[in-house]
Amino acid sequence: KNEVEQSPQNLTAQEGEFITINCSYSVGISALHWLQQHPGGGIVSLFMLSSGKKKHGRLIATINIQEKHSSLHITASHPRDSAVYICAVPYLSAQKLVFGQGTRLTINP
Amino acid sequence: NAGVMQNPRHLVRRRGQEARLRCSPMKGHSHVYWYRQLPEEGLKFMVYLQKENIIDESGMPKERFSAEFPKEGPSILRIQQVVRGDSAAYFCASSPQTTTSNGYTFGSGTRLTVV
Repeated sequence: KNEVEQSPQNLTAQEGEFITINCSYSVGISALHWLQQHPGGGIVSLFMLSSGKKKHGRLIATINIQEKHSSLHITASHPRDSAVYICAVPYLSAQKLVFGQGTRLTINP
Repeated sequence: NAGVMQNPRHLVRRRGQEARLRCSPMKGHSHVYWYRQLPEEGLKFMVYLQKENIIDESGMPKERFSAEFPKEGPSILRIQQVVRGDSAAYFCASSPQTTTSNGYTFGSGTRLTVV
């Protein structure tokens, strides 16, 4: 079993829809990262959070430390949001990140 | 602040050649991490370095791969005698402290193709 599990693996939606991507992890952590990767592109850090909720524009990330679960929400989705979204957690001694397998999001106009 | 700079962006090597990938961390960042993303797979940790020290290389293949972060200059990931299976995207990240600190930043990656 992977330490970090994401769902769904693939998600296709229409422009304007509300999007939710889930991440569950099995190790104790002090922070969780949400990352975005466009095809053939680099990796952009969207959020690092250790409790509660963070918002940046149309993106919202929440985390429940007790349940070991985090969600990434996108409101009023747009085709430019199409990308792979990855959650990652520091592992054990916090010297490295362990990644989920990613969620490939496609927003159709 | 130019962020984490990786070069080259794309690198093509023939089997048996050497590949050198460079990473300049963000200004003020003393921690560097290398990750590999094989085609259609997730990111995997390779090595964690601080200036002049390898802190954790548990993700590095035992042979042909090495990494350094000298006192002056960028961090280098070196792959000797490349094979087709080394074809991947290699990402570098840096942070001012550990992976739990704000400011954890990725570079744009180097895409290595072995022909």
